[in-house]
Amino acid sequence: AQSVTQPDIHITVSEGASLELRCNYSYGATPYLFWYVQSPGQGLQLLLKYFSGDTLVQGIKGFEAEFKRSQSSFNLRKPSVHWSDAAEYFCAVIGGRRALTFGSGTRLQVQP
Amino acid sequence: NAGVTQTPKFQVLKTGQSMTLQCAQDMNHEYMSWYRQDPGMGLRLIHYSVGAGITDQGEVPNGYNVSRSTTEDFPLRLLSAAPSQTSVYFCASRPVEGIQPQHFGDGTRLSIL
Repeated sequence: AQSVTQPDIHITVSEGASLELRCNYSYGATPYLFWYVQSPGQGLQLLLKYFSGDTLVQGIKGFEAEFKRSQSSFNLRKPSVHWSDAAEYFCAVIGGRRALTFGSGTRLQVQP
Repeated sequence: NAGVTQTPKFQVLKTGQSMTLQCAQDMNHEYMSWYRQDPGMGLRLIHYSVGAGITDQGEVPNGYNVSRSTTEDFPLRLLSAAPSQTSVYFCASRPVEGIQPQHFGDGTRLSIL
C-alpha cells in the first residue's frame, strides 16, 4: 500500500528566509504527487502537482517542488517566505482506489 | 462558482445520536470522497464514489454510511455517533477521467460528547 511521510511536524522560519518541507512517499508504480496547503479553519488548497515530465514543478504562491525518484522524495520549496505562508502543508500521493493518501502534515510558523 | 459545499460547518452531538453530513458539488464531478482529519494523522479516506449509484469503502469506513443517488450530492451518515468520531470531515470531488486534483470543501467540525 502507498504511504507518505512528512518527517517534520512543525517548522519555524523567519520571514524572508528560504523554506524546504520534506516529503517521502512509498508507492510501487509511477506516483502522482501533490502538495496542499491548509490555512486555519479552512479546507485544502492545491499548491502544485507532479504527474510526469519535468521533475521540477512550479505552483501557486511562489512554491515549487522537485520530484526525485531515486530518493522517493517530493520536497516543497520557496525562496522567500511571507508571513501569509503560515499554515499546514500536506503532501499526498494518488494510489489505490485512485484516492489520495496524505502525509501527517507539517505546520509552518513564520517569525517576523 | 460554489465548488464543493459542506453543511453544517459545526455540529455537536451526544453519543448514540445520528447525523448526516451534507456535501454537494456543482462541477459535474463523478468522483467524490469523504475524509476525516485528526491531529497528527493527516486526512484519511472514509468512503468514496465514482458515480451515481456506486460507492466503496476507504481506509476508515467503520461507523459511517454513504449513498450516491445523484452526481451532485454525497452525504455521509453517522448512525450512532461515538466520541472517537470527533473530527473534522472534508468532502472532495474531481473528474473521474485521468488523474486530476481534488477540490475540497471547507470542512465540518464535529464533536461527539
